[in-house]
Amino acid sequence: ETVLTQSPATLSLSPGEKATLSCRASQSINSYLAWYQQKPGQAPRLLIYDASNRATGIPGRFSGSGSGTDFTLTISSLEPEDFAIYYCQQRNNWPLTFGGGTKVEIK
Amino acid sequence: EVHLVESGGGLVKPGGSLRLSCAASGFTFSTYSMNWVRQAPGKGLEWVSSISSSSSYIYYADSVKGRFTISRDNAKNSLYLQMNSLRAEDTAVYYCARKTSTSGYYLAYWGQGTLVTVSS
Repeated sequence: ETVLTQSPATLSLSPGEKATLSCRASQSINSYLAWYQQKPGQAPRLLIYDASNRATGIPGRFSGSGSGTDFTLTISSLEPEDFAIYYCQQRNNWPLTFGGGTKVEIK
Repeated sequence: EVHLVESGGGLVKPGGSLRLSCAASGFTFSTYSMNWVRQAPGKGLEWVSSISSSSSYIYYADSVKGRFTISRDNAKNSLYLQMNSLRAEDTAVYYCARKTSTSGYYLAYWGQGTLVTVSS
């Protein structure tokens, strides 16, 4: 099973600042990683797939990078609606696994 | 517009059973792999099970293997999760999710979830 470790657990930032979230895999997963955003009381929303491709309708301030075992989600300038929990997910092998999440909170 | 609506959640005693359903609309259900993902209260996401479009391929998380059964009825545009021998640790919101249209196995659309509580 591929374990995904996200860091930091919590990121405290102000609107307009840049957010950098990390996801590290326990083994190489090529570029087969996605990022999701989840707001309280809502289902997750797919943001990025295959490490760097934005899903339909996702704003350009969200970008993803990385391959192998180290991946990054960057939000270039935080908007008020971006404060949420972010999860990574790998699809390189079964079982599908998610990271533990990073909460982006308002400082 | 893709729409997924889960139902069937509720309170059940340890050792009991429950059957979740997911009604799909807005896309050709029979051509997409479908999934169940759960989230315990205040916790992260946990993949539970996946089923291919024709039910040829089925996968389970180790935590539910032998207790849960995923199935689908393409004529009814519906996905199911039969949950037996339920444990307290199965308490969670259960989401139905559709695979992306691309070749990668990601979850593009999600329902709003149904809460399962296992408690005596």
